[in-house]
Amino acid sequence: KAGVTQTPRYLIKTRGQQVTLSCSPISGHRSVSWYQQTPGQGLQFLFEYFSETQRNKGNFPGRFSGRQFSNSRSEMNVSTLELGDSALYLCASSFTSGNEQFFGPGTRLTVL
Amino acid sequence: SQQGEEDPQALSIQEGENATMNCSYKTSINNLQWYRQNSGRGLVHLILIRSNEREKHSGRLRVTLDTSKKSSSLLITASRAADTASYFCATDADDYKLSFGAGTTVTVRA
Repeated sequence: KAGVTQTPRYLIKTRGQQVTLSCSPISGHRSVSWYQQTPGQGLQFLFEYFSETQRNKGNFPGRFSGRQFSNSRSEMNVSTLELGDSALYLCASSFTSGNEQFFGPGTRLTVL
Repeated sequence: SQQGEEDPQALSIQEGENATMNCSYKTSINNLQWYRQNSGRGLVHLILIRSNEREKHSGRLRVTLDTSKKSSSLLITASRAADTASYFCATDADDYKLSFGAGTTVTVRA
């Protein structure tokens, strides 16, 4: 079974730009979660989707948004990028909530 | 904010020794999970222990959970150089998210 894939793996953007990150979950997994990892704040939950519905959202500004498609693939978007948005963005999928999550390799975003 | 806190923050051991790290959390949970991360890559799931379980084993890993103390421990026995990584506990409070601790960085010396 193929693992969770994330594209792109690396991104360099400048302040004020927007970015879209993509995540393809493991086949059959309907829950997709996104996390931001930074040295200062650690791993922080962004949002979770199940069957195209957002079921929970972390404490992030409205510039961070996401969606899930009918094939369970998910995207997250960050608009008006700030220097502090530089981070490793991790996507994880699971069959359903309450089970282990399988993480992708992450997208490393650098905002200059 | 992070639900879990790991202790110690860093651990250096000799190959073959055991490594123990602890995790404390604040609210009631559905389950607690441990993950490993190598050098800023994706997280690898190690073990999941449910709130009604007290101990679980997987290979060289042993996890305990004490819900009365809101704490868990991860023991890695007979450590190897490949165990060098950061280890995170994550709590699932049945709210469709995992809340991670700050992690324990483990270095295994040859």
